[in-house]
Amino acid sequence: DVVLTQTPVSLLISLGGQASISCRSSQSLVHSNGNTYLHWYLQKPGQSPQLLIYQVSNRFSGIPDRFSGSGSGTDFTLKISRVEPEDLGVYYCLQRTHNPRTFGGGTKLELK
Amino acid sequence: QVQLKESGPGLVQPSQTLSLTCTVSGFSLTSYHVSWVRQPPGKGLEWMGVIWTGGSTAYNSLLKSRLSISRDTSKSQVFLKMNSLQTEDTATYYCARDHWERGFDYWGQGVMVTVSS
Repeated sequence: DVVLTQTPVSLLISLGGQASISCRSSQSLVHSNGNTYLHWYLQKPGQSPQLLIYQVSNRFSGIPDRFSGSGSGTDFTLKISRVEPEDLGVYYCLQRTHNPRTFGGGTKLELK
Repeated sequence: QVQLKESGPGLVQPSQTLSLTCTVSGFSLTSYHVSWVRQPPGKGLEWMGVIWTGGSTAYNSLLKSRLSISRDTSKSQVFLKMNSLQTEDTATYYCARDHWERGFDYWGQGVMVTVSS
């Protein structure tokens, strides 16, 4: 199975600051069709996960442009600029290029 | 709008079978796949399995021997059955629409299941 390693495990950020989360895969996430199915989610406290970014860099409907995704192959990054209180929670990456789908271990974003 | 809602018992005894229902609205089960994902208390997310638009299924190999996913398209419902439950199966169980391009783009609210005697 593909292993996704997220770093850091936790992140202390000041309001208005910038956060960067890494997701590294144990194998390339480029599908045979040329697409890369690496997605990012935020799980706010007490809520279900919500989709932020799909296929590396595409923001889902309603997601502000403070969230951006980048990367290729096995290395991916989620950046959150101008952090706001509603950004707090646990961030997960997910790959669905290979079966089974697998999640990263999560990165908890907290306020400094 | 797209909605998913899980339902089922909150408490299951060890060695018994868990049965959950995911009722969807705003989309057709013949147009979108649906996956089940679970999350033990305080831990991360684990994909359990998917039912494809055509009705076939795929499962996480770690759960495959115990897990079954089915559906009733006329009722817009997806079912999860998992047998031989143990305490480590205590978790919040989510169903999610599984979009080929966007991954799990909509999620249910989740249902907490405790395995205990």
